Amino acid sequence: QVQLVESGGGLVNPGGSLRLSCAASGFSFSDYYMSWIRQAPGKGLEWVSYVSASGVTTYYADSVKGRFTISRDNGKNSLSLQMNSLRVEDTAVYYCATHPDGGGTTYYNYDGMDVWGQGTTVTVSS
Amino acid sequence: SVVTQPPSASGTPGQRVTISCSGSSSNIGSNYVYWYQLLPGTAPKLLIYNNNQRPSGVPDRFSGSKSGTSGSLAISGLRSEDEADYYCATWDDSLTAYVFGTGTKVTVL
Repeated sequence: QVQLVESGGGLVNPGGSLRLSCAASGFSFSDYYMSWIRQAPGKGLEWVSYVSASGVTTYYADSVKGRFTISRDNGKNSLSLQMNSLRVEDTAVYYCATHPDGGGTTYYNYDGMDVWGQGTTVTVSS
Repeated sequence: SVVTQPPSASGTPGQRVTISCSGSSSNIGSNYVYWYQLLPGTAPKLLIYNNNQRPSGVPDRFSGSKSGTSGSLAISGLRSEDEADYYCATWDDSLTAYVFGTGTKVTVL
């Protein structure tokens, strides 16, 4: 079964840290770029970060640059997002997903594999 | 957002609805356009990639196109289950970021 299963969300104080994890199964995880995308309450979709298939190349939205770190372990079919210095405005549902675009890299042959996690809620509040 | 969409669109069952996505030379003008469907309480779903390609399982009622610095999503044979929020997305070379459009709510009358 093709799926992504997320974990690690929760309630954290401003300035705190949280680590999100995403476990992949049923598809060739190491062939795909992966991203984190979030949706704050009542707001639209916001891309957070992506990592290339090899894990060498990463990009971040300006809103999280310097605070969040994306990483992957292809041997364990897993994706992570380390979130530090959390702010109230980081409160959102966070999704991991296969990333379709190779912008910022030289070559990416995306074949339409669209897989999303169920979403995990991060609440930053005192 | 640097990519803008109309806030709403509507149509009756069976009609064709088109949603636009307006950007610039640093994003849509030089990169692919993607379209996502967001139903309440569910994860987003990719409808169109690389301007006009459909992932497996996406009905051919959904089609995408791009011209210059604008993209568009067309939904033909509108159905009640198409009532959702739709977002375009693209890479922006100046921001070095993947950017989502402002979103369009489609209502089936």
